[in-house]
Amino acid sequence: DAGVIQSPRHEVTEMGQEVTLRCKPISGHDYLFWYRQTMMRGLELLIYFNNNVPIDDSGMPEDRFSAKMPNASFSTLKIQPSEPRDSAVYFCASSQNIGSVYGYTFGSGTRLTVV
Amino acid sequence: AQSVTQLGSHVSVSEGALVLLRCNYSSSVPPYLFWYVQYPNQGLQLLLKYTSAATLVKGINGFEAEFKKSETSFHLTKPSAHMSDAAEYFCAVSFSGNTGKLIFGQGTTLQVKP
Repeated sequence: DAGVIQSPRHEVTEMGQEVTLRCKPISGHDYLFWYRQTMMRGLELLIYFNNNVPIDDSGMPEDRFSAKMPNASFSTLKIQPSEPRDSAVYFCASSQNIGSVYGYTFGSGTRLTVV
Repeated sequence: AQSVTQLGSHVSVSEGALVLLRCNYSSSVPPYLFWYVQYPNQGLQLLLKYTSAATLVKGINGFEAEFKKSETSFHLTKPSAHMSDAAEYFCAVSFSGNTGKLIFGQGTTLQVKP
């Protein structure tokens, strides 16, 4: 298995632009998680899905952020409009179950810079 | 309240020295416990996990951790540090077994000096 695949690896955009981050989870994993990592706040859970349905989006910082999972093999995290404070590394992870006896598998992340 | 705490955001050791990274949790029920490692510019990788079997858990790259219920701890150790161990380490806890999502600690950056 190729693991969790995220694209792009790096994104530089101007303030006010729309940004879309993409994630392909491991086949057969029913849970998909979006995390944000910054120096100040560490690793934050933004939202997670179970069987393509959003279960908990309480970590999404504000309405500028949205996430979708149209099918079992693809998810997007969109920021519109982007702001400099959104600069961070965004990780996608997938798992067979939420408590993860098997462990969450993380992608390599997307490093977002908003200038 | 349920929580996970990593003591020390930065730990520095000499190559060959013992590595000890501390993790404590607060929970009224036995949790599932995990350690993840993040190398520079990479995602998190699972090092080891405790899920109510043996209390001493061995992981990859010579790391191990011991679940101590009386101390509510799950400290990560390695007898002899290698330069390649330099990374950020995260303790994570599931407070409801298979029904609770993982809660991650703030992370500890391990520096290994030659």
